[in-house]
Amino acid sequence: NAGVTQTPKFQVLKTGQSMTLQCAQDMNHNSMYWYRQDPGMGLRLIYYSASEGTTDKGEVPNGYNVSRLNKREFSLRLESAAPSQTSVYFCASSAMEKLFFGSGTQLSVL
Amino acid sequence: GENVEQHPSTLSVQEGDSAVIKCTYSDSASNYFPWYKQELGKRPQLIIDIRSNVGEKKDQRIAVTLNKTAKHFSLHITETQPEDSAVYFCAASKGDSSYKLIFGSGTRLLVRP
Repeated sequence: NAGVTQTPKFQVLKTGQSMTLQCAQDMNHNSMYWYRQDPGMGLRLIYYSASEGTTDKGEVPNGYNVSRLNKREFSLRLESAAPSQTSVYFCASSAMEKLFFGSGTQLSVL
Repeated sequence: GENVEQHPSTLSVQEGDSAVIKCTYSDSASNYFPWYKQELGKRPQLIIDIRSNVGEKKDQRIAVTLNKTAKHFSLHITETQPEDSAVYFCAASKGDSSYKLIFGSGTRLLVRP
C-alpha cells in the first residue's frame, strides 16, 4: 500500500519550460489536492478535485493547470515556468477531511 | 474565502515545558480544524483535529481548544520532548464535499534539551 505517490522528487527547469507533476493514490479517495509550500507561507492550495471529473481553483491557481485523469491520478502542469514557481509541491488525497500527503516535489525554476 | 492566521512563527521552549500555538480563522462557516506536524524533510501528517461541536480535545500530551465565538483555536503540547521539534500547521475547512483545507503559515517549534 503505497499511499500517495508523487513524481519526480526533484526537478530543475529553466524559465519558460513546461512540465507536469504526477500524483497517484491507491486509497480509493474521491478528493485530491495540489499544495505548494514556501518558507513562511505555509501550505497554499493550488487546485483541488472533489471527485473524478471535477477540478476547482484553490488559493493560488495562476500559472498552473490540472487534470484528474481518473480516480487515482491528479496531475499538475506548469505551461511556462517562472522563478516565482520555485517551491515544494505536495499532492494529497483525503478520506473525509483527513489529508494524506505525498512526499513532495522540490522544483527550482532558474 | 477562508483566511487562517497562525502565531507565533517560531517558538523555542525548554524540554519539559509546555508550548502553545494559536490560530484564527475568518469564515464562520468553517467547522473542522486539524493540526498537522511536519518534521524536517518529511511530509505533513495529521496529529489531532477538532470539530465545531466540541470545545476541547486531548490526545496524550497534545490538546486542541476551540472558541467559535472568537474564531480561534489553539494547540497545546505539554511536557515537550526533543522529538516534538517540527513545523506545526493549523488549518480550517467548511466540511463540505470538497474537504479542502486552508492552512496557516506554520510555527517552527524547537525543543531545547
